[in-house]
Amino acid sequence: EIVLTQSPGTLSLSPGERATLSCRARQSVKSNLLAWYQQKPGQAPRLLIYGTSIRAAGIPSRFSGSGSRGDFTLTISRLEPEDFAVYYCQLYASSYFTFGPGTKVDI
Amino acid sequence: QVTLKESGPALVKPTQTLTLTCTVSGFSLSDAKTGVSWIRQSSGRDLEWLAHIFWNDEKSYKTSLKTRLTVSKDTSKSQVVLSMTNMGPADTATYSCARVRFSGSSGFYFDSWGQGTLVTVSS
Repeated sequence: EIVLTQSPGTLSLSPGERATLSCRARQSVKSNLLAWYQQKPGQAPRLLIYGTSIRAAGIPSRFSGSGSRGDFTLTISRLEPEDFAVYYCQLYASSYFTFGPGTKVDI
Repeated sequence: QVTLKESGPALVKPTQTLTLTCTVSGFSLSDAKTGVSWIRQSSGRDLEWLAHIFWNDEKSYKTSLKTRLTVSKDTSKSQVVLSMTNMGPADTATYSCARVRFSGSSGFYFDSWGQGTLVTVSS
């Protein structure tokens, strides 16, 4: 099964700043189609991005995804107070789903 | 409106079998290119995918847990059931079900999640 790594583990930023989160697959992957989720304490994860760069319904345009060949990025252009949360990437390959360990974005 | 709701015991004893039910609404388990996965999370951080079942009854399990897991669905009841045998303290976690969507251009992703149910393994 594919292993995903995320960096950094924690990102300390202020509202209004730009956040750049990385997700990498340790092995070569056939699929270039990654998803990103946001999770706040006590809540279920929320889908932000799928198909590497497609924003899910209702997701603000400040969230964008990019990448290919096992190297992916989630960018939050200007952090809003409600964006401070944990972000996970997820991939599907060879009938298995895999999540990254998450990046915590805090103040 | 798509909803998923998990139900099952909050406490199980070591070596027992855990059975969880995910009841869905707003979509059918027979809808093409749709499935339901079970995912657990311990200590509020790592998300661990466990199993999935697709509309065509295709199933898959996390390799390291494959011998302990069984997933099934009852389309008429809109329910997906996960069984996990030989539970141990390391299996204490919040167990959630999520709807899987996929397409050739979008990949596989979870677009709706249940709130999860906390399962504690203790004697």
